[in-house]
Amino acid sequence: NAGVTQTPKFRILKIGQSMTLQCTQDMNHNYMYWYRQDPGMGLKLIYYSVGAGITDKGEVPNGYNVSRSTTEDFPLRLELAAPSQTSVYFCASSARAGAETQYFGPGTRLLVL
Amino acid sequence: AQSVTQLGSHVSVSEGALVLLRCNYSSSVPPYLFWYVQYPNQGLQLLLKYTSAATLVKGINGFEAEFKKSETSFHLTKPSAHMSDAAEYFCAVSDRADKLIFGTGTRLQVFP
Repeated sequence: NAGVTQTPKFRILKIGQSMTLQCTQDMNHNYMYWYRQDPGMGLKLIYYSVGAGITDKGEVPNGYNVSRSTTEDFPLRLELAAPSQTSVYFCASSARAGAETQYFGPGTRLLVL
Repeated sequence: AQSVTQLGSHVSVSEGALVLLRCNYSSSVPPYLFWYVQYPNQGLQLLLKYTSAATLVKGINGFEAEFKKSETSFHLTKPSAHMSDAAEYFCAVSDRADKLIFGTGTRLQVFP
C-alpha cells in the first residue's frame, strides 16, 4: 500500500514549456486535490476532484489544468510555465469530504526559469 | 467564508519545554478542525482532528489540542518537546463541503 505517489520529485522548466505532474493513489479514494505551497503562504488549493470525470477549481487555478479519467490518477498540467509557478506541489486524497483525513504525497518541487 | 490564523510563523523551545502553537478560526458553521505536521522535504501528515465530539483531542506523538468555541481557538500543545518535533505545523478548517482551508504554518525549532 503505497498511499499517494507523485512524480517527478524535482523538475526545472524553462518559461513557456509545459509539463504534467503525475499523482496516483491506491486507497480507492473518491476525492483528490492539488495544492501548491509557497514560503510563508501555507497551502493553496489549485483543483480538486470528487470522483472520476468530475473536477472543479480551487483558490488558485489559473495556469493549470486537470483531468480525472480514473479513480487512481489525477494529473496536473502546466501549459505555459511562468516563474510565478515556481513552487512545491502536493497531491492529496481522501475518502470523503468534511471531517475526513487527507493523505498527502511527498511533493514535486518545480523551478521555472 | 472560513479562515484560519496561526499566530507566530516561528516558535523556538528548549528540549523538554512546553510546546504551544496557536490557531484561531473563523467559521459561520460548526467547524471541523485539523492539525497537520510537515517534516523537512516531506508531505503533510495528520496530527489530530476535531469533529464535534470531545473538545480535547489527542493526537500522535503526544500532541493534543482543545477546541474552545468561545475563543474560536484550537491551540496545539505538547507537555515536553523532543528534538524530533522540529517541523512545520499547519492548522486547517474544513468548510464541510469539499475543501480544507490551511493556515500559513508555524515552524517549530527545538534546541537541546
